[in-house]
Amino acid sequence: QKEVEQNSGPLSVPEGAIASLNCTYSDRGSQSFFWYRQYSGKSPELIMFIYSNGDKEDGRFTAQLNKASQYVSLLIRDSQPSDSATYLCAVNSVADKLIFGTGTRLQVFP
Amino acid sequence: GAVVSQHPSWVICKSGTSVKIECRSLDFQATTMFWYRQFPKQSLMLMATSNEGSKATYEQGVEKDKFLINHASLTLSTLTVTSAHPEDSSFYICSASLQPQHFGDGTRLSIL
Repeated sequence: QKEVEQNSGPLSVPEGAIASLNCTYSDRGSQSFFWYRQYSGKSPELIMFIYSNGDKEDGRFTAQLNKASQYVSLLIRDSQPSDSATYLCAVNSVADKLIFGTGTRLQVFP
Repeated sequence: GAVVSQHPSWVICKSGTSVKIECRSLDFQATTMFWYRQFPKQSLMLMATSNEGSKATYEQGVEKDKFLINHASLTLSTLTVTSAHPEDSSFYICSASLQPQHFGDGTRLSIL
């Protein structure tokens, strides 16, 4: 059973701090990794995707991938209350399918 | 802007009713679309892969006669929940096989 695991949280950080969200996956053959943000009652919104080992930065967001450790993370710098949401890690499977983790709820307090 | 449009956003209906949800790709052709279901405080679970011009591929445990999928054109896939019951109440979300996947706004289905 291919799995994607995340800590459900909540992860609470003060405004302006760095939020670190982590994800591990079981399928060593996975090639593509995605982070989605989901606000309550809404559908997921793509934040970042990463295909290669290392870091990928986009504004306040940095995705980090370590295929040897089967680990992918998302860092959010200068966290804002508007970043409060559930963050879903997703990993590609066969035929373009995605396998989702259960999500980590992030709370950014003023 | 949105690349996938989903309709309707909300459906409330009586038990036994069949409900159709539409998923449209905007400004691009999608040979493959995906249908997900999300129960409260749970993650997205893939229900089926919708293939244009052929039968959908269902995930294990998903009843194909209960959840009818039609993908008759390159821009439209429909999911029909037949004879819906309260346990079918959930948030249904579609996506198109545009890499990376982008999701529709979802349909909240409530069966009374």
